[in-house]
Amino acid sequence: EADIYQTPRYLVIGTGKKITLECSQTMGHDKMYWYQQDPGMELHLIHYSYGVNSTEKGDLSSESTVSRIRTEHFPLTLESARPSHTSQYLCATGQPSGNTIYFGEGSWLTVV
Amino acid sequence: AQSVTQLGSHVSVSEGALVLLRCNYSSSVPPYLFWYVQYPNQGLQLLLKYTSAATLVKGINGFEAEFKKSETSFHLTKPSAHMSDAAEYFCAVSENTGFQKLVFGTGTRLLVSP
Repeated sequence: EADIYQTPRYLVIGTGKKITLECSQTMGHDKMYWYQQDPGMELHLIHYSYGVNSTEKGDLSSESTVSRIRTEHFPLTLESARPSHTSQYLCATGQPSGNTIYFGEGSWLTVV
Repeated sequence: AQSVTQLGSHVSVSEGALVLLRCNYSSSVPPYLFWYVQYPNQGLQLLLKYTSAATLVKGINGFEAEFKKSETSFHLTKPSAHMSDAAEYFCAVSENTGFQKLVFGTGTRLLVSP
């Protein structure tokens, strides 16, 4: 099992503000992911990383950006939040040679 | 491209009854298949996975799923539902090669009544 920590768990923020959702893991997994999930809907991959200094856009276009300076951290940033960004954001990790993806508990973002 | 179809956005059962959640997949390469469970305001927890070994896969909490290539299905079952099984269940597929990226179905909410 991977230990994945997401902060904040819940955030209500005004339009135009910059926000960063933090994701950290303690298992040393190379692969990391960000999924977006609107209430009652499926998850969509928005970013992923093979390892340090690697970032790729996922299947769903997102105005957010990510960075991977250290193995254990994979923060997601929105430079100017909008109500359309209101969603749950789930961070996940995967082992280098494994086929299982482990999820954190998610960050609920509400932009008002 | 890969895709997953989950039939039924809501499934209601009585406590003690059989649980059957349906999942059909589409993949151009041999797939890996997964079932995840999501409780309210929480992340996803892996229930079980199929990775080209045994076609009948047993998972946590008494759940199991059977991979049927001819039917492109990976239905989730549990012989006897418990109140604590009430949650959202997601089926997901990934390619059996390279970097693992999950493609999810739309989810099925399981409701368990006393």
